[in-house]
Amino acid sequence: QQQVKQSPQSLIVQKGGISIINCAYENTAFDYFPWYQQFPGKGPALLIAIRPDVSEKKEGRFTISFNKSAKQFSLHIMDSQPGDSATYFCAASTAGRRALTFGSGTRLQVQP
Amino acid sequence: SQTIHQWPATLVQPVGSPLSLECTVEGTSNPNLYWYRQAAGRGLQLLFYSVGIGQISSEVPQNLSASRPQDRQFILSSKKLLLSDSGFYLCAWMVRTSGSYNEQFFGPGTRLTVL
Repeated sequence: QQQVKQSPQSLIVQKGGISIINCAYENTAFDYFPWYQQFPGKGPALLIAIRPDVSEKKEGRFTISFNKSAKQFSLHIMDSQPGDSATYFCAASTAGRRALTFGSGTRLQVQP
Repeated sequence: SQTIHQWPATLVQPVGSPLSLECTVEGTSNPNLYWYRQAAGRGLQLLFYSVGIGQISSEVPQNLSASRPQDRQFILSSKKLLLSDSGFYLCAWMVRTSGSYNEQFFGPGTRLTVL
């Protein structure tokens, strides 16, 4: 029940297109949902995060959409750029658990 | 501002040799600290976390151990490395203040190759 399932495993998008990565969870106690971006050879960097009291959060070209009833959340990257090519991880946690549960990651490639 | 350091950045060790990876955090006090391992092209596996000096929780049984001798220092060790210990080791810290969003920040990582 602690799992977070992420899809797709890999994604190829043309420059200027929209990249969409999806995550699903079972534990209804999760109350914090961050997304991380990782470039090769680097540690993951916090990109954007959402709490379940809102259905959408936007920061620049990055948007999290959250569907509490479906227990799903997704990352949308608008106007995708080659510099967005990286691996993206979704995660979830509860206030009582001291660690994040990560999805398996999505390797995004944005073609010029 | 907070900074997290890991060293060494890369390490090549023979099978059966010992291991010591170090992580330090600056600019914060009493953080939660974490060790993750990432195999090539794979996700993040939580190995250990610590909520305070001398307090270690293990998530996955293996030949690795962790210690927290100081508030902002976290060490990952092994007495005898296995080939399967190869990977990218990441240290992370988390704000512990109440009402926070559990934001977790990662260090630059250590690439370990066991031959």
